[in-house]
Amino acid sequence: DVKVTQSSRYLVKRTGEKVFLECVQDMDHENMFWYRQDPGLGLRLIYFSYDVKMKEKGDIPEGYSVSREKKERFSLILESASTNQTSMYLCASSRGYEAFFGQGTRLTVV
Amino acid sequence: DQQVKQNSPSLSVQEGRISILNCDYTNSMFDYFLWYKKYPAEGPTFLISISSIKDKNEDGRFTVFLNKSAKHLSLHIVPSQPGDSAVYFCAARDHSGYALNFGKGTSLLVTP
Repeated sequence: DVKVTQSSRYLVKRTGEKVFLECVQDMDHENMFWYRQDPGLGLRLIYFSYDVKMKEKGDIPEGYSVSREKKERFSLILESASTNQTSMYLCASSRGYEAFFGQGTRLTVV
Repeated sequence: DQQVKQNSPSLSVQEGRISILNCDYTNSMFDYFLWYKKYPAEGPTFLISISSIKDKNEDGRFTVFLNKSAKHLSLHIVPSQPGDSAVYFCAARDHSGYALNFGKGTSLLVTP
């Protein structure tokens, strides 16, 4: 069974903190993605990676960075968390056209 | 600029009836279309897909129709069940890209 695992289901962080969201996939997929989901806005792409150490900006990369040192792991970094980054964060991986999602991390920045 | 549009934020249907969820797109380079289902506090799960070279794909109670000339696709659920209550996202992939473009979602409520 395919598996994308996000390190936390729920996180509460303070404004200005550096936040790390971790994602691991066990399907040997080349492509990995970070989306955020907000009510009324759907899923918006933050960053994606098509290979180890490769990354591309998505539609809303401001305030975020990513790291992919190993094929199975893709990390999202909030350099200095702000309240407008309170959201549901979703990691996904794919080889072909179908993406497989993790369970999501609900991040609250206070 | 939203390339995949779901213009109905919500839909309510009685159990046993047909649910029809609609999706429009603007990018003629999209070659694959997918529907995902999402429950609260969970990640989206893949439901059904269709290639741009087809106009219909069926999987049990779920059928997706694609009208390329109108840049429109729809998801039909027959018969609808209370467990189908979820948010449904339409997604599309550009053949030259890696990532899926998602619509804003339609919240389906199936009432007993």
